Amino acid sequence: TQLLEQSPQFLSIQEGENLTVYCNSSSVFSSLQWYRQEPGEGPVLLVTVVTGGEVKKLKRLTFQFGDARKDSSLHITAAQPGDTGLYLCAGSSYGGATNKLIFGTGTLLAVQP
Amino acid sequence: DTGVSQDPRHKITKRGQNVTFRCDPISEHNRLYWYRQTLGQGPEFLTYFQNEAQLEKSRLLSDRFSAERPKGSFSTLEIQRTEQGDSAMYLCASSRFGQNTEAFFGQGTRLTVV
Repeated sequence: TQLLEQSPQFLSIQEGENLTVYCNSSSVFSSLQWYRQEPGEGPVLLVTVVTGGEVKKLKRLTFQFGDARKDSSLHITAAQPGDTGLYLCAGSSYGGATNKLIFGTGTLLAVQP
Repeated sequence: DTGVSQDPRHKITKRGQNVTFRCDPISEHNRLYWYRQTLGQGPEFLTYFQNEAQLEKSRLLSDRFSAERPKGSFSTLEIQRTEQGDSAMYLCASSRFGQNTEAFFGQGTRLTVV
């Protein structure tokens, strides 16, 4: 069974601080997606990483896919209250026909003004 | 709005009743997925359609659950004889066919069984 572990589970920081969220697995994924979810809403796609070692930037967010395609990280610079939400990583099985996503356990981020 | 649409957004039902949810995917997307999410957890895969064919079902999908996607467009998820443990957010997602294609989610249907 493929599992994605995220750490930390909860994070409460002050506006302006930096943070990193980790997503780890013992399995190899063909791609990994990061989503942000607000209460009562569906997950919203932030980024997809495909190549081992790939780094993508989305304004103050930096995403990295591990060289072995087993792990990923999300770094937020100068966090703002609008970044508050549940961050989910999700991996797609390598060679899987359905392309279904296996989700991580989630990181709940609260940014205090 | 051309995103994934789910209806209803919220459903409260009494234990033992049947409920049906609808998902309208992004129009050109061949793939459609149903997920279930409980509080504090990441979404869990339930079932997958490629066009109208249901190609994979999770063991989480008991025989009280059935999903259809007639004509390969919208999909429905029915839960018969609901139980309190069925209370969750039911999410639908769609994507294009191909490797590493991105999945886009609807806003979900929040089910509460009382």
